[in-house]
Amino acid sequence: GENVEQHPSTLSVQEGDSAVIKCTYSDSASNYFPWYKQELGKRPQLIIDIRSNVGEKKDQRIAVTLNKTAKHFSLHITETQPEDSAVYFCAASKGAAGNKLTFGGGTRVLVKP
Amino acid sequence: GAGVSQSPSNKVTEKGKDVELRCDPISGHTALYWYRQSLGQGLEFLIYFQGNSAPDKSGLPSDRFSAERTGGSVSTLTIQRTQQEDSAVYLCASTRNQGATDTQYFGPGTRLTVL
Repeated sequence: GENVEQHPSTLSVQEGDSAVIKCTYSDSASNYFPWYKQELGKRPQLIIDIRSNVGEKKDQRIAVTLNKTAKHFSLHITETQPEDSAVYFCAASKGAAGNKLTFGGGTRVLVKP
Repeated sequence: GAGVSQSPSNKVTEKGKDVELRCDPISGHTALYWYRQSLGQGLEFLIYFQGNSAPDKSGLPSDRFSAERTGGSVSTLTIQRTQQEDSAVYLCASTRNQGATDTQYFGPGTRLTVL
């Protein structure tokens, strides 16, 4: 089955700096890659996703890149703010196979003011 | 509109007891998923329901775990003879499933503690 690896497990950045989280996946049939943000004690919330027919997607301070050949994708957060502090999860699915998500282990991001 | 809801929010039980966790998906969403999140870990897929099709149970960790979805809406996850390693947050998600890659919307979860 699919295996998703996520790095780093923790990331501490100064406010205003950029944060990058990287994920690799094993199943070349995966075609949908969402990113979720989970604040302490809260539910995971989708922040951005990318489908396999594009290589990059951007939404304000957040961007995701996908390299299908290398089977990795990354989340980029620019101009980080204290409210960006949370745990971020990447995931992958094969869409048509029921869209069940295989998640990475998560990255705890701390933005220091 | 209302999001995915789950109940109870917290459940403390003794080892060996059975528990039932409930999920109410977003109205109109045809697909429903259960995931488990152990402390400090990622989410682990458990089971998936889509309409009237047979559920995908490939993620259930043992035969003590079962789930049903009545009337294509509410779902109940049952854990029999609970063990301490079952302690985790159980999350439910739903999608419209009108496309192959619909966004999954998560509920707040049920935190299960097995003593």
